[in-house]
Amino acid sequence: AQTVTQSQPEMSVQEAETVTLSCTYDTSENNYYLFWYKQPPSRQMILVIRQEAYKQQNATENRFSVNFQKAAKSFSLKISDSQLGDTAMYFCAFKTSGTYKYIFGTGTRLKVLA
Amino acid sequence: ETGVTQSPTHLIKTRGQQVTLRCSSQSGHNTVSWYQQALGQGPQFIFQYYREEENGRGNFPPRFSGLQFPNYSSELNVNALELDDSALYLCASSLDASGGYNEQFFGPGTRLTVL
Repeated sequence: AQTVTQSQPEMSVQEAETVTLSCTYDTSENNYYLFWYKQPPSRQMILVIRQEAYKQQNATENRFSVNFQKAAKSFSLKISDSQLGDTAMYFCAFKTSGTYKYIFGTGTRLKVLA
Repeated sequence: ETGVTQSPTHLIKTRGQQVTLRCSSQSGHNTVSWYQQALGQGPQFIFQYYREEENGRGNFPPRFSGLQFPNYSSELNVNALELDDSALYLCASSLDASGGYNEQFFGPGTRLTVL
């Protein structure tokens, strides 16, 4: 079975500091996609960043970057220069290429402190 | 461009009742997926609709059913409500269901409470 594990239920970081959220996954597939989603207190989930498994280069979107370790099945999210607006639940998710089903982890609640 | 909308925002039902939740997909999107997000958990995939047909289903019983209309809006119906059905129900729309990558856009969700 494919699973996504987020082992940090809650984290906090000071404004302007850097924080890393962890995610591991389990699959026997070779072609898949990995995602980080943000769900602010208003609830609407938005995509933060995605990574295609066939790409060796780690994805980057402004202050957000990932460390994708395919052999270790690890996909962490680094947030640089944290801002108060980054306070949210962050979900790691996985989707096998050729399928429609997204599998989400249980989430990490991130609080950015002023 | 109109985003994904869901109605109602909140809903309270009693055990055994039936409920219908609604989702309007983002303009131009023909695929809608439904998720159940229990408190403190990540979203769990219920099913996906593509061009008015169910395209795939997660591990949910048949009392969870859906529809997609010609304008690609969608409904989620839950019969014989149980206490464990209390959750945030999210819908997400995307451009197609080819299995490649097409970003899905989420609605704000409907909070269902079953008493």
